[in-house]
Amino acid sequence: QQQVKQSPQSLIVQKGGIPIINCAYENTAFDYFPWYQQFPGKGPALLIAIRPDVSEKKEGRFTISFNKSAKQFSLHIMDSQPGDSATYFCAARGGGTSYGKLTFGQGTILTVHP
Amino acid sequence: NAGVMQNPRHLVRRRGQEARLRCSPMKGHSHVYWYRQLPEEGLKFMVYLQKENIIDESGMPKERFSAEFPKEGPSILRIQQVVRGDSAAYFCASSPRTGEYEQFFGPGTRLTVL
Repeated sequence: QQQVKQSPQSLIVQKGGIPIINCAYENTAFDYFPWYQQFPGKGPALLIAIRPDVSEKKEGRFTISFNKSAKQFSLHIMDSQPGDSATYFCAARGGGTSYGKLTFGQGTILTVHP
Repeated sequence: NAGVMQNPRHLVRRRGQEARLRCSPMKGHSHVYWYRQLPEEGLKFMVYLQKENIIDESGMPKERFSAEFPKEGPSILRIQQVVRGDSAAYFCASSPRTGEYEQFFGPGTRLTVL
């Protein structure tokens, strides 16, 4: 019940394309859903985050869509660039006794070809 | 404002030795989280600490692993009698206080056990 399932495992798009990464969760106590971007040899960096009372959030070229009833959320990257090539992780923060702890998806390796 | 700092960045130990990983949170942050990332996997929560207190250690292996965050100085993740399966990247994150959602990650310590 604490898992977050992420798909696809890897994704290849051309420059300008719109990659979409999906995540699903079971635990309804999760109350915060961030997306992190990680480059090789670096730590994850927060990209964008959403709370379950909002259905969509947009920051620059990055958009999160959130479907509370389906317990799913997704990341869309508009006008993707080669510099967006990285590993993307969705995550969920637990409520209750797991407050503070982030549960991560397995990651998606994104490659954007020029 | 300096980010989360971790040292060493790379650590090589032989089986049976001890590994000490250090994390200095961002200035003003009093909450520290440790995560482990195995090769080509997502990050797994290990432990959540506030100054002088362990809040959640549900992700810590029962033996050989310990963590502390003293009143003064960095947080320490200690692994005794390391085994090859401990080889991973260990990331520390920090956040300002309870109720603040964003966790800022450090660059990680890559532990290799020979």
